[in-house]
Amino acid sequence: GEDVEQSLFLSVREGDSSVINCTYTDSSSTYLYWYKQEPGAGLQLLTYIFSNMDMKQDQRLTVLLNKKDKHLSLRIADTQTGDSAIYFCAESPNSGNTPLVFGKGTRLSVIA
Amino acid sequence: EAGVTQSPTHLIKTRGQQATLRCSPISGHTSVYWYQQALGLGLQFLLWYDEGEERNRGNFPPRFSGRQFPNYSSELNVNALELEDSALYLCASSPDLNEQFFGPGTRLTVL
Repeated sequence: GEDVEQSLFLSVREGDSSVINCTYTDSSSTYLYWYKQEPGAGLQLLTYIFSNMDMKQDQRLTVLLNKKDKHLSLRIADTQTGDSAIYFCAESPNSGNTPLVFGKGTRLSVIA
Repeated sequence: EAGVTQSPTHLIKTRGQQATLRCSPISGHTSVYWYQQALGLGLQFLLWYDEGEERNRGNFPPRFSGRQFPNYSSELNVNALELEDSALYLCASSPDLNEQFFGPGTRLTVL
């Protein structure tokens, strides 16, 4: 079955780098996503990576994909208090009739 | 371009009542997804509609139902409300099976 696992909490100091990790199970997933949810709001797509890529960088965000280990990570450089939110990892199973599968989310707390 | 919109923002009901939640997708998106986000449980997939048809359904009882209209907007209906139905209900739209764009959600409180 499909399952996406994430650690539930991460706390970092302002200015440090944050690394949020995720493991997924469907090796045929075509895309993997990171979403951000601020308190009381919906989910905002942060970035995504195609499964034939190892790395994608977008300003302060770096996504690393290890297909062999089915491991995805999101690195946020120079973490700011505005980055405090819940971050969801999601995979797009290649099964045709299944929508995105989300992890339970990692709550990032940034300490000033 | 307008994003996904949901109404109402908040909804308060009592046990046994029915709730109707609405979602308007981004223009041109034919797929609409519904998720339940209860406290501490992450996103639980509820329903997926595409081109007016129900394509997939999560592990929820039949009292959760919905439909998609010809203009691709969608309704989620929850009958016989229970206390544990209190949650944030998120709608997302997508032009394909991949990237999903989320609305701000409807917070349902069941008293």
